[in-house]
Amino acid sequence: NAGVTQTPKFQVLKTGQSMTLQCAQDMNHEYMSWYRQDPGMGLRLIHYSVGAGITDQGEVPNGYNVSRSTTEDFPLRLLSAAPSQTSVYFCASSYSNSKHTASPLHFGNGTRLTVT
Amino acid sequence: GENVEQHPSTLSVQEGDSAVIKCTYSDSASNYFPWYKQELGKRPQLIIDIRSNVGEKKDQRIAVTLNKTAKHFSLHITETQPEDSAVYFCAAPLGGSQGNLIFGKGTKLSVKP
Repeated sequence: NAGVTQTPKFQVLKTGQSMTLQCAQDMNHEYMSWYRQDPGMGLRLIHYSVGAGITDQGEVPNGYNVSRSTTEDFPLRLLSAAPSQTSVYFCASSYSNSKHTASPLHFGNGTRLTVT
Repeated sequence: GENVEQHPSTLSVQEGDSAVIKCTYSDSASNYFPWYKQELGKRPQLIIDIRSNVGEKKDQRIAVTLNKTAKHFSLHITETQPEDSAVYFCAAPLGGSQGNLIFGKGTKLSVKP
């Protein structure tokens, strides 16, 4: 299994440009999520999905869209990039995110995004 | 709002000493508490986790303890080695019925040879 695969590894955007960060997992996990990581801020949840066709907002959803058309893929879209979105983005998946049967998150290798 | 607080933010120890990192959480319904280790430039990786029906769990030099009454859990690393140097994150599922993991802000552990 490849686990969680993210592309690209690095990206530089100009303010106002749009782009999609790709995430795919081959572990048949129902739950997928996106986090951003900034120095001193830990990992903050952007959006998550509990299954195909279902998405919801996390802690910091503004400026980002997601969709989940298949179990395997969970792309993150930046509609109009801003310098405040400069960050490292991690996609993660797990078998279950039920509060009563939570299971470990598996992270991708991350995408380092710079917006100038 | 729901949150996870982690202390200290930095920790420096001599090789062979013990290190302890503590987290507190706000949602009394949380019942799963993982710890992740992140080396520089790498992804976070799970090192140990504990569920609320257990008070302590050990895996070689690493242990996690949980106090549900006080809503805090701690990571203990004994006989630290230079390769333990990394950023450590705690997490807890917070907010409603979903178990979305909310992370602490991390502890940068430095182990000096």
